[in-house]
This record gives sequence, structure tokens and C-alpha cells, in this order.
Amino acid sequence: QVQLVESGGGVVQPGRSLRLSCVASGFTFSTYGMHWVRQAPGKGLEWVAVISYEGSSTYYSNSVTGRFTISRDNSKNTLYVQMNSLRAEDTAVYYCAKDRTDRWYGGFDYWGQGTLVTVSS
Amino acid sequence: DIQMTQSPSSLSASVGDRVTITCRASQGISNYLTWYQQKPGKVPKVLIYAASTLQSGVPSRFSGSGSGTDFTLTISSLQPEDAATYYCQNYNVAPITFGQGTRLEIK
Repeated sequence: QVQLVESGGGVVQPGRSLRLSCVASGFTFSTYGMHWVRQAPGKGLEWVAVISYEGSSTYYSNSVTGRFTISRDNSKNTLYVQMNSLRAEDTAVYYCAKDRTDRWYGGFDYWGQGTLVTVSS
Repeated sequence: DIQMTQSPSSLSASVGDRVTITCRASQGISNYLTWYQQKPGKVPKVLIYAASTLQSGVPSRFSGSGSGTDFTLTISSLQPEDAATYYCQNYNVAPITFGQGTRLEIK
């Protein structure tokens, strides 16, 4: 069965960096687009970034462009997001999600359980 | 960016009621729309994708319709376990966008 397991969350000071990981299993990771989505405490869902199946194409939300970098290692079945210059408003549960297609044309069919990032001094 | 506007923002209904939630896109997105259900502390669950395709394992009381800019999620006979927040999502083009959510309470 498909599993997505995020890790790397924690408490970080404003301005610092953090890298999240998402290990995938149960499907051929290298053939699907992958996303990061976040949800601030008590708020709605916010899409963060997407990467195509082979990593050549990426897109970001306006709120993280220039600060976050999505990447993947298909040999390790792992998705990453490098988060730099973190702000208090980046505090959220971060989910990785699998697309139905090799890019972002299919919507999500599986989500991970999420990892909490708290940006606070 | 395409804006997704859900209505209502919240509603309360009784068991057995027919419930409708609408989602409007700021520009046409064909049928590139997903509906999610999220319960407190839980991961969002896919209900409907491609605007009207029922995700495997989802009860048939859930249905979706629409194309272009106007979409609807319908629960034909509300059950107690349907209390949740519902989100629509556009995936026609990046950046992908979500509606603000509709909180459904059971009377």
C-alpha cells in the first residue's frame, strides 16, 4: 500500500533553516509528481510546491518563492523541501502528497501524516 | 493565480438531510477539481476528483458535479460521521489553490 512518511519538523528560530523529508513506498516513486502542502494551526490548506517526476520542473506558491526549494532523490524514494529564512507565518503542519500524474495535472491521491514546523524564538 | 471561493463557510444540518457545498473558480478550470474531507487532527481525505469521479472507498452518498467555474459537492443523506471541514482544490494549473473550507456540523 502507498505510504508517505514525513520527517524533519521541529522548533526553529525565525531566519533559520530546516529541511523536511518524505519517504515514499508502495508505488513507483520516480514516475509521479510530488507536492508539499501545509496547514497552519486552525487554518485551511495551503499548497506550497510541486516537483515533476524526474525533478526537472518545479513550481512554488508566492508565499515561499525564493525561500523554499523542493527536490527529490528517486534512488532513495525521497522528497525534500529545504526551507530557508523561516518566518513565524511558516508555522504549520507540512504534508507531502502524491499526484495522480507525472507532474501536477491529476490532483492528489495520497497524503502523508504530516510533520509540524514551529517557527518561534 | 486562480481563486477558489467556497460557500457557505459553515453550515449545520440534520442527519438525513441533503447537503450542498459550492465552489467557484475565478477562471475556468475545466474539470480539474478535487473535493477533500478533513476531520480535526486528521489528514485530508479525497472524496471526489476530476470534479465528479468518486474516489474508491468513498460512500456513494457523496457526489460531485460541475465544470468550468462552478462546482458542487452533494451529500445525499447526511450521516453523523460526515461532520468535518470540506475543501475544494483546483489543479488545472500551478499554483494549485484550495478553497477556504466549509465547516459542516451535525445538528
